[in-house]
Amino acid sequence: DQQVKQNSPSLSVQEGRISILNCDYTNSMFDYFLWYKKYPAEGPTFLISISSIKDKNEDGRFTVFLNKSAKHLSLHIVPSQPGDSAVYFCAASEVETSGSRLTFGEGTQLTVNP
Amino acid sequence: KAGVTQTPRYLIKTRGQQVTLSCSPISGHRSVSWYQQTPGQGLQFLFEYFSETQRNKGNFPGRFSGRQFSNSRSEMNVSTLELGDSALYLCASSRSGSTDTQYFGPGTRLTVL
Repeated sequence: DQQVKQNSPSLSVQEGRISILNCDYTNSMFDYFLWYKKYPAEGPTFLISISSIKDKNEDGRFTVFLNKSAKHLSLHIVPSQPGDSAVYFCAASEVETSGSRLTFGEGTQLTVNP
Repeated sequence: KAGVTQTPRYLIKTRGQQVTLSCSPISGHRSVSWYQQTPGQGLQFLFEYFSETQRNKGNFPGRFSGRQFSNSRSEMNVSTLELGDSALYLCASSRSGSTDTQYFGPGTRLTVL
């Protein structure tokens, strides 16, 4: 059973515009969420995280929004740059019971066109 | 500060053999987690070690095992390899787990023939 889902396998945007990547989860016990990006032949690189006590977290060009009632989170990248082209993974964990065990979505391939 | 290192980077084995993969965490990190990435199943949690003890385990058969040494380095072992074990095996380290950020290594690409 897929507890974390990224329904868009791919997304294409123009350089300078906003990229919005979406993620839905079904396990209401998840209380910590992260976004990673991954280039081919490399391990995932941490981007940004958010605890369930918040609904927004910002770091430079990256903002993550969490809607607990809808069990939905999104990553906004503004402005998008060609170097942002990569696969983006959403991940979630139940801190209390399973610590650092991350459950990942399937990933979204972001392509930023110059 | 050096990142997470994994050796070897690439490995080819045949069915029935066993394999050992190694992971050296970031200095000062005591938690090491292992993940398997395949095209069909995505990134799946294998297990986590903290202070030489397995603290968490995913839904993988007993052929997958691991251990952690006193210097926090970790190894994972897969016995009686099957074709479906072909995957990218990723190791991640963090200071103590929980909400500490996990930093990933480059992975070991295992191909089973």
